[in-house]
Amino acid sequence: GENVEQHPSTLSVQEGDSAVIKCTYSDSASNYFPWYKQELGKGPQLIIDIRSNVGEKKDQRIAVTLNKTAKHFSLHITETQPEDSAVYFCAASGTGFQKLVFGTGTRLLVSP
Amino acid sequence: EAQVTQNPRYLITVTGKKLTVTCSQNMNHEYMSWYRQDPGLGLRQIYYSMNVEVTDKGDVPEGYKVSRKEKRNFPLILESPSPNQTSLYFCASSRSGPTGGEQFFGPGTRLTVL
Repeated sequence: GENVEQHPSTLSVQEGDSAVIKCTYSDSASNYFPWYKQELGKGPQLIIDIRSNVGEKKDQRIAVTLNKTAKHFSLHITETQPEDSAVYFCAASGTGFQKLVFGTGTRLLVSP
Repeated sequence: EAQVTQNPRYLITVTGKKLTVTCSQNMNHEYMSWYRQDPGLGLRQIYYSMNVEVTDKGDVPEGYKVSRKEKRNFPLILESPSPNQTSLYFCASSRSGPTGGEQFFGPGTRLTVL
């Protein structure tokens, strides 16, 4: 089955810096790659997603890139703000596309 | 307001005492799922349901049961809880499956089994 690895587990940046979180997946048939943000005490919330027919997608300060050949995808946050502090999860579609397999999460801390 | 609700939000129980965590969504979603979140392990899927009366095992189904008698409800049942089921549990729903678009997550249920 699908396996998703996520790095780093923690990331500390200064406000205004960029942050990059990387994930690799194992199943070359996976075709959907979302990113979720989890704020303290809340459930995860989708922030951006990308499908395998697209190499990059942007939404304001957030971008995701996908390299199907290498089977990795990354989340890029520019001009970070303290409210970006949260746990971020990547995910990849699993067997039969009826499930998502999540990475282990990255705790991002943005210091003022 | 479109939302996924879970109850209870917090629960402390003892080994072997049957419990049910309820999950309800008001968005008429076909797909519902249960996850557990543990430090260092991320979110792992327990069970999912593509529609009413259709359920299937996720990656960590042992010790859990589910049912989907109505479209809006997807309860998680622990018939004989054990300490290794102490975790943070999330219910989620989406319109047509996890790859068809956003999964909406509930606020979570923190379960402690003594």
